[in-house]
Amino acid sequence: GQNIDQPTEMTATEGAIVQINCTYQTSGFNGLFWYQQHAGEAPTFLSYNVLDGLEEKGRFSSFLSRSKGYSYLLLKELQMKDSASYLCAVSDSNYQLIWGAGTKLIIKP
Amino acid sequence: GAVVSQHPSWVICKSGTSVKIECRSLDFQATTMFWYRQFPKQSLMLMATSNEGSKATYEQGVEKDKFLINHASLTLSTLTVTSAHPEDSSFYICSAEPGQDYNEQFFGPGTRLTVL
Repeated sequence: GQNIDQPTEMTATEGAIVQINCTYQTSGFNGLFWYQQHAGEAPTFLSYNVLDGLEEKGRFSSFLSRSKGYSYLLLKELQMKDSASYLCAVSDSNYQLIWGAGTKLIIKP
Repeated sequence: GAVVSQHPSWVICKSGTSVKIECRSLDFQATTMFWYRQFPKQSLMLMATSNEGSKATYEQGVEKDKFLINHASLTLSTLTVTSAHPEDSSFYICSAEPGQDYNEQFFGPGTRLTVL
């Protein structure tokens, strides 16, 4: 079966750095997405990785290792507005997105 | 660019009535549109995938006769919840895929349905 695993909840301090991990087992791989979702709102796109390595975009970076079936989202200089759920999704061999359950990130002052 | 709208943003209806939700891609043509449902504190659950001009593909456990999907054009898809019941109360989100390069999905703002 297809499976995406990510921690249910994480807590971090304002100004700090946090890494949210995602491991996956899917039939085929056509890229991995990270989305941010604030409570009561729809998800918004953060990043896309299809090749191994680190993609940096401002305070957010995303890493992929296809051989390990592993990705992480790195958030630097955390701000209170970063409190949200972070969803990992993998595009499988049929280009269908398989969604993780999401990681709720709580930022404390 | 890549804006997706949904209407209405929230709706309250009586049990047994039908509710239609519209999803529009405003500045691009969407080859594929998706409908998701999200219950409080849970992740997205894909309900169905629709391609313009063809029948929607429903996920296992989703009743196609209850959740009618019409993808009439490359910019519009509708979801009709027929004979709604309180257990259908949820956050319904659509997304659209331009079909270019990689299958990034652009999400609408969601529709919160409350069935009394």
